[in-house]
Amino acid sequence: RKEVEQDPGPFNVPEGATVAFNCTYSNSASQSFFWYRQDCRKEPKLLMSVYSSGNEDGRFTAQLNRASQYISLLIRDSKLSDSATYLCVVLQDDYKLSFGAGTTVTVRA
Amino acid sequence: EAQVTQNPRYLITVTGKKLTVTCSQNMNHEYMSWYRQDPGLGLRQIYYSMNVEVTDKGDVPEGYKVSRKEKRNFPLILESPSPNQTSLYFCASNRDGTYEQYFGPGTRLTVT
Repeated sequence: RKEVEQDPGPFNVPEGATVAFNCTYSNSASQSFFWYRQDCRKEPKLLMSVYSSGNEDGRFTAQLNRASQYISLLIRDSKLSDSATYLCVVLQDDYKLSFGAGTTVTVRA
Repeated sequence: EAQVTQNPRYLITVTGKKLTVTCSQNMNHEYMSWYRQDPGLGLRQIYYSMNVEVTDKGDVPEGYKVSRKEKRNFPLILESPSPNQTSLYFCASNRDGTYEQYFGPGTRLTVT
């Protein structure tokens, strides 16, 4: 079983729509959680950390559900520039990072 | 500008011909890592370094070597590349005590 699993998508949405997707992790002792954004095989960049209470950064909302072992990312009012692959990253209890394979989002005009 | 640089960005080589991919960061980060990214798989860590002269294996170290003689540099060495090492490689760094990875632009390697 993979340590971090993501629906690869693609999620095709029109501009202005809301899109949400999840990431599941296998290790219940995982420490911290992050979402990274990766454009077209360029380098990944940190989008946001995921806090236990959930957190927002503008149009982006991240949530953590420890009981069911998943994190989610919701994008409101999608922009063309949101088209990217979103990587779920989990800090394991041995302080190593595990990366999901990514969820691709395509926002169309 | 704070950044991680990698060279070369693209490389096509033949099986068995030794190569080195350089990585340098100007943020004075203690931690540096090498990852490879393959379709359908998440980034997988090859090697990491916690500081000068301190390196350790990641999840997929076979066929790779690294060194950390200076804090800013962390080269990846393929002594005898094979076609299964065809991949997109990223170098990354982070400060001690934090986990935000700063990635280089990537090196696309093809081994024929």
